[in-house]
Amino acid sequence: QKEVEQDPGPLSVPEGAIVSLNCTYSNSAFQYFMWYRQYSRKGPELLMYTYSSGNKEDGRFTAQVDKSSKYISLFIRDSQPSDSATYLCAMRSAGGFKTIFGAGTRLFVKA
Amino acid sequence: GAVVSQHPSRVICKSGTSVKIECRSLDFQATTMFWYRQFPKKSLMLMATSNEGSKATYEQGVEKDKFLINHASLTLSTLTVTSAHPEDSSFYICSAPLARGNYGYTFGSGTRLTVV
Repeated sequence: QKEVEQDPGPLSVPEGAIVSLNCTYSNSAFQYFMWYRQYSRKGPELLMYTYSSGNKEDGRFTAQVDKSSKYISLFIRDSQPSDSATYLCAMRSAGGFKTIFGAGTRLFVKA
Repeated sequence: GAVVSQHPSRVICKSGTSVKIECRSLDFQATTMFWYRQFPKKSLMLMATSNEGSKATYEQGVEKDKFLINHASLTLSTLTVTSAHPEDSSFYICSAPLARGNYGYTFGSGTRLTVV
């Protein structure tokens, strides 16, 4: 079993839709959770990070962490064509140095 | 914000030649730099961790003699793919930890290497 599982998609939604992106993980030691956005042929850029469980909101983006279920989510409200990209989840343990990335979900937002 | 500049963005080379990829931290000092390889529809694969002034730490299965990493200064880390072969063709990305309190990384823009 992979440490981090993420559906690669692709996920196609109409403009304005609410998008839900998810990852599951197996290592209960993970404490830091991150979401990155990667446009084609570019390096990933950090969107959001959270520590332990709970929600975090930043504009149209909301990150949720449910440690009891080992499940994290990223919600995008009022999705725009410019949101079309690959979204990678990432996580790390408190004392760990290595960050584990999901495979990324390709999102297409149609105008 | 913290920016890592990666160069070149794209390179095509012949089999048997070596290619050097540079990553520079532009407005901060990066004592640590991570080097990743990314395959289509696959997660980022950590190849090695470079630390300024010391030897790089390679992940299991990564040939240290093939992928030479040098981190000679606080702002520059380089990855040299030696005696490149077509199977080395891939997208290589470097990243550096962000400031204390932010647990994410800042990534370079990546290098698309094609070995012909």
